[in-house]
Amino acid sequence: DTAVSQTPKYLVTQMGNDKSIKCEQNLGHDTMYWYKQDSKKFLKIMFSYNNKELIINETVPNRFSPKSPDKAHLNLHINSLELGDSAVYFCASSQRTSGSSTDTQYFGPGTRLTVL
Amino acid sequence: DQQVKQNSPSLSVQEGRISILNCDYTNSMFDYFLWYKKYPAEGPTFLISISSIKDKNEDGRFTVFLNKSAKHLSLHIVPSQPGDSAVYFCAASPEHGSGNTGKLIFGQGTTLQVKP
Repeated sequence: DTAVSQTPKYLVTQMGNDKSIKCEQNLGHDTMYWYKQDSKKFLKIMFSYNNKELIINETVPNRFSPKSPDKAHLNLHINSLELGDSAVYFCASSQRTSGSSTDTQYFGPGTRLTVL
Repeated sequence: DQQVKQNSPSLSVQEGRISILNCDYTNSMFDYFLWYKKYPAEGPTFLISISSIKDKNEDGRFTVFLNKSAKHLSLHIVPSQPGDSAVYFCAASPEHGSGNTGKLIFGQGTTLQVKP
């Protein structure tokens, strides 16, 4: 009964390929996020969707395209993979209530992407 | 420009003693702070949080202290246990009322080792 799940856990691919990482949450949350943890271990937000609507889009190359088919899923598609895309990607979700303080974000186990 | 900094990459303490993890931030708009714990090959898990209207929040063995004038917060774990060995991330967010989108800014983490 994993709360936030990601597939695959590991992804090894060649430069130039296109790949997708899937994320699903069964917590009934209405907001989902993608974070990237780089080689220096910084966790940085990439995107956030609230009820399938994009609300955060950091300065991420447009090769990265999030897709939210419904509020329980937020997938990350990456085109033309580059060496610098190698990182661990974490999905997260939260139940945000208007007017309240930031709600806790629950993270998935991460997907380690290695671009060769 | 890293707005949340954890200047100690690692900390080692003896079981039963106190662990103190520190975090500094630069953005005065931050007014909600969280600590996450991360084990290898897992996603970060929420530990404890504090709003800027408080200077202390306690949950069992974990206490977070906030010094707004110094833009500093710390996590105290007492007594420390070997199972506490993990990477601890500090995170900050502006409050919802200012149009916050739920974005969290993370520090780079501190690896805590608790020796039996």
